[in-house]
Amino acid sequence: DIQMTQSPSTLSASVGDRVTITCRASQSISVWLAWYQQKPGKAPNLLIYKASSLESGVPSRFSGSGSGTEFTLTISSLQPDDFATYYCQQYNTYPWTFGQGTKVEIK
Amino acid sequence: QVHLVQSGAEVKNPGASVKVSCKASGYISSSYTVHWVRQAPGQRLEWMGWINPASGNTRYSQRFQDRVTLSRDTSATTAYMELSSLRSEDTAVYYCAKEKAGLWTFDIWGQGTMVTVSS
Repeated sequence: DIQMTQSPSTLSASVGDRVTITCRASQSISVWLAWYQQKPGKAPNLLIYKASSLESGVPSRFSGSGSGTEFTLTISSLQPDDFATYYCQQYNTYPWTFGQGTKVEIK
Repeated sequence: QVHLVQSGAEVKNPGASVKVSCKASGYISSSYTVHWVRQAPGQRLEWMGWINPASGNTRYSQRFQDRVTLSRDTSATTAYMELSSLRSEDTAVYYCAKEKAGLWTFDIWGQGTMVTVSS
């Protein structure tokens, strides 16, 4: 299975900060990567697909980049609604696998 | 509005089976593959498999191959996930999710069904 590793596992930030989360794959996955946001007790919400395509309805402060084995999710100016856990997911090779999550906390 | 509504929480004994339903509304349910993903407490998301509601074709993660069965009703509006030979490690929230138009990502999720395995 392809292992997905996110860093950091926890991130403390303030409203207005620029935040970057990294996701690394154990082998190349081309651009077949998605990012999700999950809040406590809720289902995940799709933010980014195909590494850099913004899902409809998702604020433009979210952006994704990368290819191969290294990817980033950037929030350009952190808003109160963005405090949550973020997961990456690869869909290049079965089984689809997820990162362990990055929790974005209030500093 | 597009919705996936799942059945309610379940408590099962070890060795039993559980069957979770996922009813689609607000879109042509036969046109989009439905995936199942689970999340044990404090753990990462784990993909289990998918079903094509139109054809009934399925694909399973090898990790669950011997214990999971995905199915759908004849109208293709409700999908089901059955997991057998339950053990305590299967305690998790189980989600169904609609695939985003052949892109293997999940754009609509059910609300989740908590399955607790305990004697």
